[in-house]
Amino acid sequence: QVQLVQSGAEVKKPGASVRVSCQASGNTFNNYYIHWVRRAPGQGLEWMGVINPAGVATTSAENFQGRLTLTRDASTSTVYMDLTSLKSDDTAVYYCARPKGTGGFDPWGQGTRVTVSS
Amino acid sequence: SYELTQPPSVSVSPGQTATITCSGGELGDKYVCWYQQRPNQSPVLLIYQDNKRPSGIPERFSGSNSGHTATLTISGTQAMDEADYFCQAWESITDQAFGGGTRLTVL
Repeated sequence: QVQLVQSGAEVKKPGASVRVSCQASGNTFNNYYIHWVRRAPGQGLEWMGVINPAGVATTSAENFQGRLTLTRDASTSTVYMDLTSLKSDDTAVYYCARPKGTGGFDPWGQGTRVTVSS
Repeated sequence: SYELTQPPSVSVSPGQTATITCSGGELGDKYVCWYQQRPNQSPVLLIYQDNKRPSGIPERFSGSNSGHTATLTISGTQAMDEADYFCQAWESITDQAFGGGTRLTVL
């Protein structure tokens, strides 16, 4: 059973960058795509982007293009999400998730709260 | 990007059936997933491929998808079902969209 464990909460100032990590258990992690989704206070789930198993190709939602970078380290089974030029609107809980081959995201990480405040 | 529309809120009495809809253009041509998210918890996959339940998901949760509307049905709603519910259109592994979410209140 794959589990995804994310890094801890972050507090950042506007204009700064944040890195959130997502580490997986299980020896097949490097075969998986990993998606990132966030939920801002009072808002719904927002898909951010995905990184492929090789870590070469990534796709970002239009809202994040130019600000979002996804990378992965196969040696530690970890995927990283870097978001730059943070704004107060980026305050949210950020989740990593693995897509099932049959559709749907399962499992999800436990979430990482990122607060952007001056 | 593909847009999915859900009602912001649905209310139901305990033991009754709750119906949550998700609308989008030609949605019936795509696979739809549904998630439950309780406060301060991660989303949980309830339904995939329109109407399939992962192991461990109670039978009272069911899904359908046709035309422009997908539906999540919760039969015999329980107090523990009070949560936010999100639909997701599964176009391809790199093309994702979520509905705005529906808050289910069990009165």
